[in-house]
Amino acid sequence: DSGVTQTPKHLITATGQRVTLRCSPRSGDLSVYWYQQSLDQGLQFLIHYYNGEERAKGNILERFSAQQFPDLHSELNLSSLELGDSALYFCASSLSLNEQFFGPGTRLTVL
Amino acid sequence: DQQVKQNSPSLSVQEGRISILNCDYTNSMFDYFLWYKKYPAEGPTFLISISSIKDKNEDGRFTVFLNKSAKHLSLHIVPSQPGDSAVYFCAASARGNAGGTSYGKLTFGQGTILTVHP
Repeated sequence: DSGVTQTPKHLITATGQRVTLRCSPRSGDLSVYWYQQSLDQGLQFLIHYYNGEERAKGNILERFSAQQFPDLHSELNLSSLELGDSALYFCASSLSLNEQFFGPGTRLTVL
Repeated sequence: DQQVKQNSPSLSVQEGRISILNCDYTNSMFDYFLWYKKYPAEGPTFLISISSIKDKNEDGRFTVFLNKSAKHLSLHIVPSQPGDSAVYFCAASARGNAGGTSYGKLTFGQGTILTVHP
């Protein structure tokens, strides 16, 4: 158990819908990262938040947005969902720029 | 453009022998390297890391070697155990790129499936 929690574990929705994925980092970690793992792309970095502020963005679609709240939990919002958005979404947290600790992931299926 | 590559999709090893997983990178800005292990339906689990100022780091059965001139790193597992069977990901970051657009980002390889046979 990494200490990072993610909810929900599974999410099934339809195209065009909007969903919110939630992540609680390890106690004491100020950084939260979001990654997407699809079958053909491997683990891809989406976005990094540090203590409530966005610090870096990867190949995150404009339909996707994230935020980190004062209690340090983070939410990833995915809107106007397409079939291709079906993937595993992982959250990770870290205290420094060294190791990142990953949550169990949310499996999103868009039908 | 794949900046971190694991060219072997799979590796099969006998229990008790050495497992060697390889990883190559192209971005010379990378200064920190990590190995993660992943079981199906779980998140990646951190195994071991190495800074670019070192060429070797050891933790129990796991040793990571870094060859900066060749832009190559490897993970050695000795002795291999059936419980080591999983997907292994190599990852890299550019910690020195403070304030850059990739700050904190880990770039992952495609993974190598390790199977350790009893």
